[in-house]
Amino acid sequence: QKEVEQDPGPLSVPEGAIVSLNCTYSNSAFQYFMWYRQYSRKGPELLMYTYSSGNKEDGRFTAQVDKSSKYISLFIRDSQPSDSATYLCARVSNTGNQFYFGTGTSLTVIP
Amino acid sequence: DAEITQSPRHKITETGRQVTLACHQTWNHNNMFWYRQDLGHGLRLIHYSYGVHDTNKGEVSDGYSVSRSNTEDLPLTLESAASSQTSVYFCASSESRRDTQYFGPGTRLTVL
Repeated sequence: QKEVEQDPGPLSVPEGAIVSLNCTYSNSAFQYFMWYRQYSRKGPELLMYTYSSGNKEDGRFTAQVDKSSKYISLFIRDSQPSDSATYLCARVSNTGNQFYFGTGTSLTVIP
Repeated sequence: DAEITQSPRHKITETGRQVTLACHQTWNHNNMFWYRQDLGHGLRLIHYSYGVHDTNKGEVSDGYSVSRSNTEDLPLTLESAASSQTSVYFCASSESRRDTQYFGPGTRLTVL
């Protein structure tokens, strides 16, 4: 079983839509989560991180962690064509030694 | 500005050849990582280092080696390239173990 599971998509939405991207994880110990965005033929870049359950908001982006269901979500409001990218969720091991990445969800926002 | 660079950006090699991919960061980060990215598998950790002369195996380390002789560089060597090692390779660095990892632009390696 993979540490982090992510629906690869692809996901295609019209501009202005609300996007929901989701991951599930298997290890229920203390968790530290990140969302990375990766544009085509580029390296991943950090979008958001969260240490615990609940929501964290940054502009149009909201990261949510539900520890009871082992679910990680990223919401994008008022999606823009520039949001078209692959989004990867990641869980950091308890010791901080390793990052476990999901396979990524490909998102296209259509103008 | 501080950055992380990888070279070459593209490489084509033949089965059995030794290949070295370079990674250089100017943030003075102690932690450096090598990942490979393949369709259906996402990013998988190959090797990582927490400082000079420190190296550790990741999830998919077979056929790869690294050495860390200074803070700035972590070269990745494929001892005898195999077609299964055709992939995009990313180097990353971070200031502390749970801190953000900053990724390089990637090296696209093709083994024929």
